[in-house]
Amino acid sequence: QSILTQPPSASGTPGQRVTISCSGSSSNIGSNTVSWFQQLPGTAPKLLIYSDDQRPSGVPDRFSGSKSGTSASLAISGLQSEDEADYYCAAWDDSLNGYVFGTGTKVTVL
Amino acid sequence: EVQLLESGGGMVQPGGSLRLSCAASGFTFSSYAMSWVRQAPGKGLEWVSVINAGGGVTYYADSVKGRFTISRDNSKNTLFLQMNSLRADDTAVYYCAKDGPVLTFGWFDPWGQGTLVTVSS
Repeated sequence: QSILTQPPSASGTPGQRVTISCSGSSSNIGSNTVSWFQQLPGTAPKLLIYSDDQRPSGVPDRFSGSKSGTSASLAISGLQSEDEADYYCAAWDDSLNGYVFGTGTKVTVL
Repeated sequence: EVQLLESGGGMVQPGGSLRLSCAASGFTFSSYAMSWVRQAPGKGLEWVSVINAGGGVTYYADSVKGRFTISRDNSKNTLFLQMNSLRADDTAVYYCAKDGPVLTFGWFDPWGQGTLVTVSS
């Protein structure tokens, strides 16, 4: 079950900045690193951010991650049409002894 | 190039079994933890299970504990998921994903293309 809470949707016009929140607890985000994933329609998820704020090679610097306490955020600056996708956060949960994913956020470019 | 290729999905009746495989290439398979993640039709991502690099440590989501078994063959660069007592709510696309060198990192990169498991009578 998802115990990382994300807003179901977010939107913006091309060029705008969009921020997605991921709210957890002391047993997951509060004590472990957060990853973010992008899932384009009909495709497998892709890693966008790992270790809270690190970008894998090949991920544009328009994507950035941050964490504070038991919450994390993904920011997309300079929004582009190809950014329309579902976005998920994830973290290890020490109480569950397993990973938990966020509920997912659908980003729409207006 | 790092690649993961799942196989073994299909349609099975409730109560049946399936064994998924994930063939890895392009990296030192034995140095990384590996996970299975599933996605029911139209739903979000759900982590299923993880196994450490050596294969001696495994964890499962409560929803599959006691029914699914994760394993790996490092000599063949292959990850497995044995699924028993399958239920309708196990219907999903199952992805394997390469994790980090440490089991709790969550560095799921890359993901395989996924294999569809349908549990229906």
